[in-house]
Amino acid sequence: AQRVTQPEKLLSVFKGAPVELKCNYSYSGSPELFWYVQYSRQRLQLLLRHISRESIKGFTADLNKGETSFHLKKPFAQEEDSAMYYCALTKYNTDKLIFGTGTRLQVFP
Amino acid sequence: DAGVTQSPTHLIKTRGQQVTLRCSPISGHKSVSWYQQVLGQGPQFIFQYYEKEERGRGNFPDRFSARQFPNYSSELNVNALLLGDSALYLCASSSGGGGPSGQFFGPGTRLTVL
Repeated sequence: AQRVTQPEKLLSVFKGAPVELKCNYSYSGSPELFWYVQYSRQRLQLLLRHISRESIKGFTADLNKGETSFHLKKPFAQEEDSAMYYCALTKYNTDKLIFGTGTRLQVFP
Repeated sequence: DAGVTQSPTHLIKTRGQQVTLRCSPISGHKSVSWYQQVLGQGPQFIFQYYEKEERGRGNFPDRFSARQFPNYSSELNVNALLLGDSALYLCASSSGGGGPSGQFFGPGTRLTVL
């Protein structure tokens, strides 16, 4: 079965601390992995995708096919990073996204 | 471009009624997808339409239907509403086929079924 698991509903850190949001997936084949973010009172938006191998707003995510994980990391959290983060996957070159249940990141001053 | 737009913003219906939700994609996008987001959960895929044809369907009953118009806007219809249909309904558009910029989401329509 195709599934995305985000084990933490809430992650709280202090400003400047490292952050790692966990994401594990199960999928038969070669999926494409994404992180979407939703800031307060804003719409869901793409943060990064694994094929881009970019760093966006200081966040990076590496696809580990052996562990079927796509954890999101940032070395130094900022207060403006507080938001809801969703990990998602899709079959390559399609639009059908399968989302995890999301992790709320709270960054305290 | 205002991005993906959805109407209405909020909607209250009673059980058994029917509802139609509307979505306008970003100019130039030919693919529209619909998602249902129940409180505390991630969005769940309902449909994808590309060039007016259904490209994908999620695990939803036949009470859910959708269509895409020649201008690429889309409607989602839900018949015989149940209490469990209460959710945020999201529309997303893309250039199609998992384009390089991914999907762009609208603000959603909050449906409450009483």
